[in-house]
Amino acid sequence: EVQLVESGGGLVQPGRSLKLSCAASGFTFSNYYMAWVRQAPKKGLEWVATISTSGSRTYYPDSVKGRFTISRDNAKSSLYLQMNSLKSEDTATYYCARHPHSSYVFDYWGQGVMVTVSS
Amino acid sequence: DVQMTQSPSNLAASPGESVSINCKASKSISKYLAWYQQKPGKANKLLIYSGSTLQSGTPSRFSGSGSGTDFTLTIRNLEPEDFGLYYCQQHNEYPFTFGSGTKLEIK
Repeated sequence: EVQLVESGGGLVQPGRSLKLSCAASGFTFSNYYMAWVRQAPKKGLEWVATISTSGSRTYYPDSVKGRFTISRDNAKSSLYLQMNSLKSEDTATYYCARHPHSSYVFDYWGQGVMVTVSS
Repeated sequence: DVQMTQSPSNLAASPGESVSINCKASKSISKYLAWYQQKPGKANKLLIYSGSTLQSGTPSRFSGSGSGTDFTLTIRNLEPEDFGLYYCQQHNEYPFTFGSGTKLEIK
């Protein structure tokens, strides 16, 4: 059974940093592109980052480019999101998600972790 | 960026009825449109991708149609477990973008 479990969320002040983790199990992690998707309170879904199988290629929307860094450790079946220079508009539930082979949909999602950016 | 306009925002229907949700892209995305279901306390679920391909495990009462800029999710013979939030997503190009969501409620 595919499982994605996020951790590392919490309350952080504007301008500070936070690192999220996602522990994957139930599939060969190193064979899949992975992603982060977020959802602000009472708002819709927003794609945040995607990483290739080896980690050599990463993709971001303009809203987080230069501030967020996605990475992975295939030996640990873990995905990460380093978030720097956080803003109030980054307040959201962050979901770890898997891209199926040769597709940019999200076929499995974690339950999400809440990040609140506030002073 | 491709803007996704989803309608209606809210929809009320009774079990056994059929409903349709629409998604319009700001430019052609070929067939690359996905639909997701979101319910409280459960992981988001991929229902349909590439416009009309059912994800494994998606009941056959769900169907997707469309190409280019206009797409539709149809749910026939609504079941109680079908009520929740639905989102479309274009998976044709970066940045991947979602519609604003449709809340399907029990009438």
